[in-house]
Amino acid sequence: NAGVTQTPKFQVLKTGQSMTLQCAQDMNHNSMYWYRQDPGMGLRLIYYSASEGTTDKGEVPNGYNVSRLNKREFSLRLESAAPSQTSVYFCASSQRGGRYEQFFGPGTRLTVL
Amino acid sequence: GDSVTQMEGPVTLSEEAFLTINCTYTATGYPSLFWYVQYPGEGLQLLLKATKADDKGSNKGFEATYRKETTSFHLEKGSVQVSDSAVYFCALNTGNQFYFGTGTSLTVIP
Repeated sequence: NAGVTQTPKFQVLKTGQSMTLQCAQDMNHNSMYWYRQDPGMGLRLIYYSASEGTTDKGEVPNGYNVSRLNKREFSLRLESAAPSQTSVYFCASSQRGGRYEQFFGPGTRLTVL
Repeated sequence: GDSVTQMEGPVTLSEEAFLTINCTYTATGYPSLFWYVQYPGEGLQLLLKATKADDKGSNKGFEATYRKETTSFHLEKGSVQVSDSAVYFCALNTGNQFYFGTGTSLTVIP
């Protein structure tokens, strides 16, 4: 099992450019999540998908859109990148229910100039 | 609302010292509690978990006990190694949402 995979690993964008971060999991999990991690801020939830076909906003959704393409894949799109979106982005997945942990991908390091 | 508060770092210890990282939580209902570890340049990995009160999670010499009466889940290790240097996150799952603490950076010096 590969677990949770993310592409790309690194990306540099200019202000105003767009890009999509890809995430896939092979654990048959129902729920998937996108976080950003900034120094001193911990993890902040951008969007999540409790199940295929549903998506919900998290703590910091502005400037982002998501698509739950199927049960395996959950993408994050930046339509017009801003320097404030420079961050490390993590995708995670879990089974639904209170007993289960999240599994994280290796992250995408994004710099917006 | 639901939340996790963990001890601020950074923490610097000598090898073989005792480690405690404090974590307290606020939650309605009966959450599950987790400790994650993040090594430089990597994603978060589950270190241990506890799903009900009085459960003790343990892994790689680390332990944490789910204390409902004090709403705490403190991480402990009796003798840290240089390889334990990482950032540690406390987290809870209410069944609807996950909540993470802000992370505690640990550096262990030889």
